[in-house]
Amino acid sequence: GAVVSQHPSRVICKSGTSVKIECRSLDFQATTMFWYRQFPKQSLMLMATSNEGSKATYEQGVEKDKFLINHASLTLSTLTVTSAHPEDSSFYICSARASGSGRADTGELFFGEGSRLTVL
Amino acid sequence: AQSVAQPEDQVNVAEGNPLTVKCTYSVSGNPYLFWYVQYPNRGLQFLLKYITGDNLVKGSYGFEAEFNKSQTSFHLKKPSALVSDSALYFCAVRSRSGNTPLVFGKGTRLSVIA
Repeated sequence: GAVVSQHPSRVICKSGTSVKIECRSLDFQATTMFWYRQFPKQSLMLMATSNEGSKATYEQGVEKDKFLINHASLTLSTLTVTSAHPEDSSFYICSARASGSGRADTGELFFGEGSRLTVL
Repeated sequence: AQSVAQPEDQVNVAEGNPLTVKCTYSVSGNPYLFWYVQYPNRGLQFLLKYITGDNLVKGSYGFEAEFNKSQTSFHLKKPSALVSDSALYFCAVRSRSGNTPLVFGKGTRLSVIA
């Protein structure tokens, strides 16, 4: 089964509302998770690095007030798109690196199935 | 800084023929290298990785890739393509130091024609 669960897989919302996307590591602890964004027919662009118990590190050009990241536990990171607008419509994918107990770190990152956000 | 180049946007191959999807990388030190496949509206599926050891890595669905340090390449190959292999393929690199993310190439769309 999947080792990283992402929810919801698909969400449609009205412009101006906020949407929360969850990323859970199911069988391992992840002190670090990464959030990516993918535009249609393009590659994955790193948005931010989510660190358990501390502030996320955002990539250049990513608005931290628009894309709120919370990594409150070793198995859960959330991405909240605040006051969403149509240009925020995209495919968002999280990934996690194993750390601590549950699964040995092999250098590999495990990916969620992605969340497609459509803002009307 | 890490970077990955996939020089081909699209690769077309006839079913049953061998396929190659090219990837070159730039990273300081020895890298972790990965190939992922993505089907429409889906997340990434892991195909294979190079961590250490044998330069020829075998992965899922009959795919393999060869790590070539001198050419900084990690081309994806399969001896006989299937129509079901048609998808978007991403090469990715990650530094071995610290909590570094994967850096992806732009992707190569593989189309296998029956």
